[in-house]
Amino acid sequence: QKEVEQNSGPLSVPEGAIASLNCTYSDRGSQSFFWYRQYSGKSPELIMFIYSNGDKEDGRFTAQLNKASQYVSLLIRDSQPSDSATYLCAVNRRSNMLTFGGGTRLMVKP
Amino acid sequence: EPEVTQTPSHQVTQMGQEVILRCVPISNHLYFYWYRQILGQKVEFLVSFYNNEISEKSEIFDDQFSVERPDGSNFTLKIRSTKLEDSAMYFCASSEQLSYQPQHFGDGTRLSIL
Repeated sequence: QKEVEQNSGPLSVPEGAIASLNCTYSDRGSQSFFWYRQYSGKSPELIMFIYSNGDKEDGRFTAQLNKASQYVSLLIRDSQPSDSATYLCAVNRRSNMLTFGGGTRLMVKP
Repeated sequence: EPEVTQTPSHQVTQMGQEVILRCVPISNHLYFYWYRQILGQKVEFLVSFYNNEISEKSEIFDDQFSVERPDGSNFTLKIRSTKLEDSAMYFCASSEQLSYQPQHFGDGTRLSIL
């Protein structure tokens, strides 16, 4: 079983729509959850982090965490072409290290 | 906004040579990390460093690798006797005092082994 799993995509949404990105993780002891955006050839850029069950909103981004179901999601409202990138889910299991999923490629079409 | 800086941006080295990748973490951060990403693959954890010692390392981080904080600002990754499969993007990251806080990544060093 993969430790952190994401659909590789591509997920294609029209400009202005809501993009929904999902991630599941295997370790129930995982403590903190992060979403990074990675443009091609660039480094991961922190978008959101969440520690507790429920929703956390920051601008157009909402992170959702459900520890019972072991999933975390990222919603992007009013998607823009500049949001087109690969979105990486990362989980801090029980230590300092982050375990990354393979990423979901998002394409926002004008 | 403070950022993690890495040098060089691209390093080309002959197989068998040693390379040193350099990083300057964000100044008030106390935890430092190295990750790598082979082209088309996941970002993989290599090592974390706190209070001048390794706090955790992955299976990838074998005797070929070492890390050092030679002064108050730099954090380095040394790879000895490089192999073709060491070709990857190497990212340095840092976080504040508590280990579960967000990690901020530098722009990376692209290492190409010939």
